[in-house]
Amino acid sequence: EPEVTQTPSHQVTQMGQEVILRCVPISNHLYFYWYRQILGQKVEFLVSFYNNEISEKSEIFDDQFSVERPDGSNFTLKIRSTKLEDSAMYFCASEGDRGGTEAFFGQGTRLTVV
Amino acid sequence: QQQVKQSPQSLIVQKGGISIINCAYENTAFDYFPWYQQFPGKGPALLIAIRPDVSEKKEGRFTISFNKSAKQFSLHIMDSQPGDSATYFCAATGGAQKLVFGQGTRLTINP
Repeated sequence: EPEVTQTPSHQVTQMGQEVILRCVPISNHLYFYWYRQILGQKVEFLVSFYNNEISEKSEIFDDQFSVERPDGSNFTLKIRSTKLEDSAMYFCASEGDRGGTEAFFGQGTRLTVV
Repeated sequence: QQQVKQSPQSLIVQKGGISIINCAYENTAFDYFPWYQQFPGKGPALLIAIRPDVSEKKEGRFTISFNKSAKQFSLHIMDSQPGDSATYFCAATGGAQKLVFGQGTRLTINP
């Protein structure tokens, strides 16, 4: 079964450092997302990406965040200067059709900012 | 208006019992309502989903009941098993692509 793959599974970084979280979506999917889940809380939308551009972003996705699809297969989330409150599980998801079909989630990257 | 409210936060059910989790939404533009199951350390996985043109959808032991006029939907797990112990999230989407998640329900099935 096709799956979304995320790396690394766990990243520890010092406050103020840049991190890049990587995702390989399912190959024929067109819509890509990043969500985050602070420990014990609900899954929150960060950003959606379609046709090589951001289609929607939440208020969480400020200037410190950026996304890229650098090579047509990988989908990355960059946090330029991490804060303690960025510590969370970050999930990548991909979807074949516009909203309303199954969004496949990766296993997540646990980001710990110290 | 983008919120999805989910209850209860946690639920303990005896093996063989029925687990019921409820969600309510406000945005009438939502037109797809999935339920996700999440095990510790894993990403959410789609369990079952419904569109508002039907009032019920059943897949095996899992049933979604949907009440469009009340803007509520619920997940019923029949004959609950210890392997069903997980966190369950309802979600909604429509128009925009993103999923709006409920707060999650930690379900524990006691053997």
